[in-house]
Amino acid sequence: DTGVSQDPRHKITKRGQNVTFRCDPISEHNRLYWYRQTLGQGPEFLTYFQNEAQLEKSRLLSDRFSAERPKGSFSTLEIQRTEQGDSAMYLCASSLWDSLSGNTIYFGEGSWLTVV
Amino acid sequence: GNSVTQMEGPVTLSEEAFLTINCTYTATGYPSLFWYVQYPGEGLQLLLKATKADDKGSNKGFEATYRKETTSFHLEKGSVQVSDSAVYFCALGGTSYGKLTFGQGTILTVHP
Repeated sequence: DTGVSQDPRHKITKRGQNVTFRCDPISEHNRLYWYRQTLGQGPEFLTYFQNEAQLEKSRLLSDRFSAERPKGSFSTLEIQRTEQGDSAMYLCASSLWDSLSGNTIYFGEGSWLTVV
Repeated sequence: GNSVTQMEGPVTLSEEAFLTINCTYTATGYPSLFWYVQYPGEGLQLLLKATKADDKGSNKGFEATYRKETTSFHLEKGSVQVSDSAVYFCALGGTSYGKLTFGQGTILTVHP
């Protein structure tokens, strides 16, 4: 049983460049989440997909950020014109809701972004 | 809105000591509560959960009881090991789709 997979694990980019992260959720999980975590803080919610539909975006997600989940399976998070303040770990998570066990969210190992 | 408050860290213990990490929450409705653990350089791993009042979640010797009357979900372990050194996050899942709200995390260091 594979977990949530994220790629790349580490990315160093120059300010102003675009970066894209990919997330492969646990197979058959219909819910997919993106979170951002900075050093010494808990993860902060960015956005959520139910299948291919993006149903909520945090106000943290500026217009430089865009996320997609085109076929309801993997997802991408793109950051355009990166700024130093974007340096963080970007966490992907997935879940499968059911009436018995509710909604338990499983996280990937994260993609570290450093903007220089 | 929903919020989670964890005890300030870092927490430093000797091996085999008793561990308590306090967590209190503010939420509307009936949230689910979770503890996640994060080892250095890694993502979050689900440690345990409780979905309704008076439920006790347990895993790997860790326990936490969902106390609605005190809005708390304190994490406990009777005898910690060096391998338990990590950051522990309390989280609340309060919406219909389960978006998590996290506390700020508590760093635990266990010395031999």
